Order: sequence, then structure tokens, then C-alpha cells
Amino acid sequence: GESVGLHLPTLSVQEGDNSIINCAYSNSASDYFIWYKQESGKGPQFIIDIRSNMDKRQGQRVTVLLNKTVKHLSLQIAATQPGDSAVYFCAETISSGTYKYIFGTGTRLKVLA
Amino acid sequence: NAGVTQTPKFQVLKTGQSMTLQCAQDMNHEYMSWYRQDPGMGLRLIHYSVGAGITDQGEVPNGYNVSRSTTEDFPLRLLSAAPSQTSVYFCASSYSGLAGADTQYFGPGTRLTVL
Repeated sequence: GESVGLHLPTLSVQEGDNSIINCAYSNSASDYFIWYKQESGKGPQFIIDIRSNMDKRQGQRVTVLLNKTVKHLSLQIAATQPGDSAVYFCAETISSGTYKYIFGTGTRLKVLA
Repeated sequence: NAGVTQTPKFQVLKTGQSMTLQCAQDMNHEYMSWYRQDPGMGLRLIHYSVGAGITDQGEVPNGYNVSRSTTEDFPLRLLSAAPSQTSVYFCASSYSGLAGADTQYFGPGTRLTVL
């Protein structure tokens, strides 16, 4: 919701440009990562995931890059559209029998017309 | 197929009052969970359940109770509300819940204010 996003870093991009949203993860043992999109007043929505045996994964208009050396994850959105305006956050976990994820605080993406 | 539904959407309580946040899913998922979302913090796990009759504590369980009598429903109970429980609450479900195994689906959230 809006109150959750008040203190988030904001990325403003022109419609049609590419967006890059970054995430630093905390646990070097994490081996599975997810990007979520959260629109105002709605629940988080899965966008794309990546496992640690990959450094890049592509979806429809989105690409996730993983740099394990510096514990960094990025989400690239191609040809950003007004409907992409939302808060984006990453999640990390160790996929060995756990039910627990660590969620990032997120970045607000604003698409300028 | 409604996915994950939550009621109410908004709630205002006074300190000390009790209430139950409802969560239901129609995807026959075994795993259900409750998170809270606060400004400047990522989602934090309150309680989770890996099947009917089985629940466990998450990261921030104090002040909350849960039960899972059916596969579909996973209510969250606040026994004596405190201002620190002012938050947005999300219910989520997935087939197994095992990290990395399948996708979690989130409900639309309940915005709770405790005065």
C-alpha cells in the first residue's frame, strides 16, 4: 500500500526506456532469488526467479541478472510502460527444505509519460 | 478461481481489542502463510502452515495465533491488539511452500490500524 512505500528509493524512467532495478542480498548461502512487483493497494506478484547456478534469466520484457561475487541482483525491464509503475522488491532463500525467505524493502518505479 | 482472498480490506482497532483476519485460497495449496509489511522493512513471516492441522512460527509470531482446520482457510488472530501491530498483513499460499520449489501467491492484504 501507499504508506509502506513512502520511504522507498524511487526510480523515474520515461515511457519506452529500459529500467534497471537493483537489489543487494544479504546471505552468501542463498541460492534462489525472486523478483516481485507490488502495485498500490495490492499484494506482491511474482515476476521472475533465478537460481544460483545461473547468472541471467529472461522472461517477457524482463531480465534478471545475478552476480554472486558481490551478492547483487538486478531486474531489467525493457520498453517500460505505464503499467509497470509499482514497487519492486527481491527475495532470497536457501532452497534446502526451508520455508523462509528474506525480502528486500523495494524500489518504487515511476513511469513518466 | 479466486486465488487468495483476504477479509477485511481495512480495519481499525483500539488497543486491547481482539480480531481475526481471514484468509482463504481455492487452489488446493498445502502451504499457507501470514506476513506483515511495515514501512522501511521487507515482508516478515508471522506464522505458516504446511497442511491442515499443522502450524509453525515464523520470524515475528508474538501477539498472533493461527490455526488450520481446513486446507482452504488460515485465519490470523490478534488476541489483544497493540499499536505495534499496525501494519499491512498479507496471506500467501503455495503448493508445497518449500523455498525454491513453487510460486507463492499473495492475497490483496488487510490494512490494520491499532489506536
